[in-house]
Amino acid sequence: QSVLTQPPSVSGAPGQRVTISCAGNNSNIGAPYGVHWYQQLPRTAPKLLIHDINNRPSGVPDRFSGSKSGTSASLAITGLRAEDEADYYCQSYDISLSAWVFGGGTKLTVL
Amino acid sequence: EVQLVESGGGLVQPGGSLRLSCAASGFTFSTYEMNWVRQAPGKGLEWFSFISPSGSPIYYADSVRGRFTISRDDAKNSLYLQMNSLRVEDTAIYYCARKTVGTVYFDYWGQGILVTVSS
Repeated sequence: QSVLTQPPSVSGAPGQRVTISCAGNNSNIGAPYGVHWYQQLPRTAPKLLIHDINNRPSGVPDRFSGSKSGTSASLAITGLRAEDEADYYCQSYDISLSAWVFGGGTKLTVL
Repeated sequence: EVQLVESGGGLVQPGGSLRLSCAASGFTFSTYEMNWVRQAPGKGLEWFSFISPSGSPIYYADSVRGRFTISRDDAKNSLYLQMNSLRVEDTAIYYCARKTVGTVYFDYWGQGILVTVSS
């Protein structure tokens, strides 16, 4: 049981827009520690995709964006491409647990 | 180019021990916080250990506290994980992950190393 809750799977056709939600509480996403997203392509290590709600590291396309409202966050991917097919994880810090926490992951399928 | 390369994984019996290493290059290792994150087969990511640039403080998740020990050798640009009293549920891919002081996210990850605990 992950501290942050994500849908197990989402899907979309090439060119479409998809969103992945991440639900937490006031001890993590609702606290001033931000929310961050990682992309894990098949059989590879996770890669930082978005940090501090909506900041993209160098090299990450602007098709990827993030948002936060209260104790929930979302990752949006526009102009979906076949190479976006991966697992996506949200992450925050939980002040009650004194631990860095992840969502359970969402598998994105490009139809 | 930032690189993190884990080594030392393999098959070990329940109750056994294993020591993982993570060799860092491409950045000033001594100034970064380092972490271990694991991923059980077909499961999600689990953070379980942190070490500050100075070696203190150190934090562990409840799932490994008292059994695992994180350490670092800045002269060798290396991070270590001593794993004792291993359990079947410790079977996972183990990643070392870098974190910049003052941030809450992991900006670079190693390729991961598989640890299998089985009789």
